[in-house]
Amino acid sequence: KAGVTQTPRYLIKTRGQQVTLSCSPISGHRSVSWYQQTPGQGLQFLFEYFSETQRNKGNFPGRFSGRQFSNSRSEMNVSTLELGDSALYLCASSLGPDSYGYTFGSGTRLTVV
Amino acid sequence: DAKTTQPNSMESNEEEPVHLPCNHSTISGTDYIHWYRQLPSQGPEYVIHGLTSNVNNRMASLAIAEDRKSSTLILHRATLRDAAVYYCILKYGGSQGNLIFGKGTKLSVKP
Repeated sequence: KAGVTQTPRYLIKTRGQQVTLSCSPISGHRSVSWYQQTPGQGLQFLFEYFSETQRNKGNFPGRFSGRQFSNSRSEMNVSTLELGDSALYLCASSLGPDSYGYTFGSGTRLTVV
Repeated sequence: DAKTTQPNSMESNEEEPVHLPCNHSTISGTDYIHWYRQLPSQGPEYVIHGLTSNVNNRMASLAIAEDRKSSTLILHRATLRDAAVYYCILKYGGSQGNLIFGKGTKLSVKP
């Protein structure tokens, strides 16, 4: 079966712009989580969605937002981009928020110049 | 959130067993122990998880200490494809489902 699909794979944006990243979970998975990975901070949790509702949020500024659609696909948006937002953004899906196995996508590499 | 402590790096020879340790002295009764690994240029991959008893699957075995303050991920025969960063994570068994990643252990496998 198809894995978690993240688009685009690579993105270059300018400071001050906004960006939208997309994540399509595994078919049947209803929970989607987002993570940011940087060399300095490692993997950090952004937020988790289940049934179109945000269930959990990490310690990130309000410039980072997300949403989930009725087909479980999710998007995350970063507004007013800063150089420090350059990172690998990873999406993970699971059957539900209490599931024990998360399947990660390969990520979107965002570079802010 | 309960924390885990892992060695920064470990080395292994190909086709030999590897024991990756993890300390979690502040683990609570409802915390599950999860292991994920991240191969170069890929997202993390689920390896195994357990609560109290030792667990086996096709990828690895998880040995959990009786007091649950430590655990060990065992790769029975390391291959070059097992070279990755291995993360030991405590996940609350309730509704708060996010994974808290630490620095992990970078495993190198020598041919």
